[in-house]
Amino acid sequence: GQNIDQPTEMTATEGAIVQINCTYQTSGFNGLFWYQQHAGEAPTFLSYNVLDGLEEKGRFSSFLSRSKGYSYLLLKELQMKDSASYLCAVRDSNYQLIWGAGTKLIIKP
Amino acid sequence: IAGITQAPTSQILAAGRRMTLRCTQDMRHNAMYWYRQDLGLGLRLIHYSNTAGTTGKGEVPDGYSVSRANTDDFPLTLASAVPSQTSVYFCASSDRATGELFFGEGSRLTVL
Repeated sequence: GQNIDQPTEMTATEGAIVQINCTYQTSGFNGLFWYQQHAGEAPTFLSYNVLDGLEEKGRFSSFLSRSKGYSYLLLKELQMKDSASYLCAVRDSNYQLIWGAGTKLIIKP
Repeated sequence: IAGITQAPTSQILAAGRRMTLRCTQDMRHNAMYWYRQDLGLGLRLIHYSNTAGTTGKGEVPDGYSVSRANTDDFPLTLASAVPSQTSVYFCASSDRATGELFFGEGSRLTVL
């Protein structure tokens, strides 16, 4: 079966750095997405990786290793507004998205 | 720019009633999706449509139906609602070039 694993919850301090991991087992791979979802709101797009390596976008970076079935989202200089759930999703061989359950990130002052 | 509009935003429904959740997009995206999101679970695909006139079943299609008469609209119908269909429903469309999903604000449905 297809599976996406990510931690249920993480806590970090304002101003610090946090890494949210995602491992996947899917039938085929056509890209990995990270989305941010604030409580009670819709998910919004953060990043997309299809090749191995690091993609940097401001305070957020996303890394992919296809051989290891692994990705991480790195958040730097954490702000209180970064408190949200972070969703990892993999596009499989049928171009359908398989979603992880999300990681709830709690930022403490 | 509206993006994707869902209605209603919230609804309480008696079991056995019929309910249609509306979804309209103005981005001219070919592909549209309906997901449900439940606590502790990832987004689960109910139905999808790759282009107007076609639909397909997702991971959890039972008890739901969709139609795609045109590019902009993708309504989701619960023919006879049951309490297990209590959830938050998200409509989404995707950009062909990037595959990025754009979500509506969600419809919170409670079936009693």
